[in-house]
Amino acid sequence: AQTVTQSQPEMSVQEAETVTLSCTYDTSESDYYLFWYKQPPSRQMILVIRQEAYKQQNATENRFSVNFQKAAKSFSLKISDSQLGDAAMYFCAYRSRAGGGADGLTFGKGTHLIIQP
Amino acid sequence: GAVVSQHPSRVICKSGTSVKIECRSLDFQATTMFWYRQFPKKSLMLMATSNEGSKATYEQGVEKDKFLINHASLTLSTLTVTSAHPEDSSFYICSARTEAYGYTFGSGTRLTVV
Repeated sequence: AQTVTQSQPEMSVQEAETVTLSCTYDTSESDYYLFWYKQPPSRQMILVIRQEAYKQQNATENRFSVNFQKAAKSFSLKISDSQLGDAAMYFCAYRSRAGGGADGLTFGKGTHLIIQP
Repeated sequence: GAVVSQHPSRVICKSGTSVKIECRSLDFQATTMFWYRQFPKKSLMLMATSNEGSKATYEQGVEKDKFLINHASLTLSTLTVTSAHPEDSSFYICSARTEAYGYTFGSGTRLTVV
C-alpha cells in the first residue's frame, strides 16, 4: 500500500515571502499522480497543483510550483509571494495510475499554513 | 467546471438513528464516486469507492453494513450511516473523478451523533 508523509504539521510564513511544504511518499509503482490540495476553513478541497510521475518537468501554476524528485520519492510545494488567502491546510496526495481512474486518493496528514501579515 | 453538490452540510442525529448523505454531480456524469472521512485536524481517509450500478468497494476496516453506499444513477451517490453512534461523528466528503477536471470534491457533511 502507498503511504504519504507530511512531516510539517504547521508552517508559518510572512506575507509576500516564499514557503516550501514537504511531502514524501512510498510506493512500488512507477506510474502515478501526485497532487497538492488546499483546504481552507470552509473545508472545501481545492486542487492546487498536479504532477504526473512520468513527466520530469516540475509542474507550475502561477505562484505555486513543485519540486518532484522521483528517485527520492519527494514532492514538495513552493508557494511564492505568499498571500493571506493562502492560509489553509495543505494536503499532499497520491493516486496510482494503474487503476484507470477507479482509485481514490491517498492523503498525507496535512500541513497547516499560517500567513503572518 | 465540474461541480459536486453534497447535502446536508451539517446534521445532528440521535444515537441509534440512521443518516443519509447525498452527493450529486451537477453538470457531468460520475460513474465513480469516492467517500472520505476526516477526523478533526486529521487527514482524509478513503472509506469506499462507489460505482454506478454495482456494489461499492470498501477499504479495509470500513464496515459495509454500517456505511451503506448506493450509486443508483450517474449523478447521485448516497452514504447512509446506519445505527449511528457518537464515534461515527466526523466530517464526510465525497469526490468524483472526471477526465477533464480530475477529482472534484463536495463541500462535506459534518455529522454529530448525540
